[in-house]
Amino acid sequence: AQSVTQLGSHVSVSEGALVLLRCNYSSSVPPYLFWYVQYPNQGLQLLLKYTSAATLVKGINGFEAEFKKSETSFHLTKPSAHMSDAAEYFCAVSVEYGNKLVFGTGTILRVKS
Amino acid sequence: NAGVMQNPRHLVRRRGQEARLRCSPMKGHSHVYWYRQLPEEGLKFMVYLQKENIIDESGMPKERFSAEFPKEGPSILRIQQVVRGDSAAYFCASSPGTSGRSTQYFGPGTRLTVL
Repeated sequence: AQSVTQLGSHVSVSEGALVLLRCNYSSSVPPYLFWYVQYPNQGLQLLLKYTSAATLVKGINGFEAEFKKSETSFHLTKPSAHMSDAAEYFCAVSVEYGNKLVFGTGTILRVKS
Repeated sequence: NAGVMQNPRHLVRRRGQEARLRCSPMKGHSHVYWYRQLPEEGLKFMVYLQKENIIDESGMPKERFSAEFPKEGPSILRIQQVVRGDSAAYFCASSPGTSGRSTQYFGPGTRLTVL
């Protein structure tokens, strides 16, 4: 079975500071990994995904994530936070056969001016 | 290309009533997934459907919940005899393929409140 752990349910950064949201996964087979963002009262929007090609994945809005098999991690980063980045972020895992996404519990990002 | 459509966006039901949630996938997508988001929790998989078939319902509660995706029309998630614990946001997603690497595109959700 697959699982995802997101360390830190709340992260607060200053505008312009580095954003780092942590995600560790557990999977007995090669995983596919996703980061989604959810704004209040809205659905989830895909930020980026890892599908076994390049280990450094670039997404929308300046976000990127690096797949590290040795650390079973897929942390999300952005060099400089913007006020509009304030939202909840979910890491998710799936595998080749099974289709369903298994989500972490989410990290709420707060950006201070 | 319109995204995943869900309606209603907000639904209020009294205990014991039925709730019907609808999902229209993106054009060209024949795979639909339903997830539930309880307050302060992440999304939990409920069911995966293709046209006229339930592929994986391992996340569905054993009683009162059912889902369908008919040949024509939207996918329906049906909750009979709702209880307060059913209050949650229900999200539908669709994808173009069967592979786990296929991106799932999410709708805006239906927020169910049970009084």
